[in-house]
Amino acid sequence: GEDVEQSLFLSVREGDSSVINCTYTDSSSTYLYWYKQEPGAGLQLLTYIFSNMDMKQDQRLTVLLNKKDKHLSLRIADTQTGDSAIYFCAESFSSNTGKLIFGQGTTLQVKP
Amino acid sequence: DTGVSQNPRHKITKRGQNVTFRCDPISEHNRLYWYRQTLGQGPEFLTYFQNEAQLEKSRLLSDRFSAERPKGSFSTLEIQRTEQGDSAMYLCASSSLAEPAQYFGPGTRLLVL
Repeated sequence: GEDVEQSLFLSVREGDSSVINCTYTDSSSTYLYWYKQEPGAGLQLLTYIFSNMDMKQDQRLTVLLNKKDKHLSLRIADTQTGDSAIYFCAESFSSNTGKLIFGQGTTLQVKP
Repeated sequence: DTGVSQNPRHKITKRGQNVTFRCDPISEHNRLYWYRQTLGQGPEFLTYFQNEAQLEKSRLLSDRFSAERPKGSFSTLEIQRTEQGDSAMYLCASSSLAEPAQYFGPGTRLLVL
């Protein structure tokens, strides 16, 4: 079945690296995504990775995908207070219309 | 391009009333999605359009919910006879066939009293 799980909370100090983890159950996922949501706002797409890739880097963001373990991570280098938000991972599948299945979100708290 | 827009941003209604929300996708995006998000949870898929055709509906979408995309551009989501359990953020997203990414609007927050 389709299930995405994330840890609920992460606290880091400004300037440190943050690593947010996600596990999923369905091996037929085609793309995996990371979104950021600030209070009262919609979701901002951060990055996505095709399921046959291991890694993708985009400025301060690094996505690692371990398909064998069905594990996805998002590393934020030099975390800033403006990075404080809820981060969602999501997956899509080739067998359907592209709907996204989301995890419950990880709240990132960045302390000055 | 200004991105996905949604109106209204907030709606307060009494139980039993009907409400309608509007979503304007990114121009030339032919796919449009509706999701619902309750407090502390990730968004849950409701329904999907490709151009004007509604191609998939979640079992979450009871018969009190109806969505349309009459000309393949903007979409409306109507909830009839609202219930307190309908209180949530309703999110719209759009995508193109050329890219797998979905871009979300700011959402409409519904409160049913």
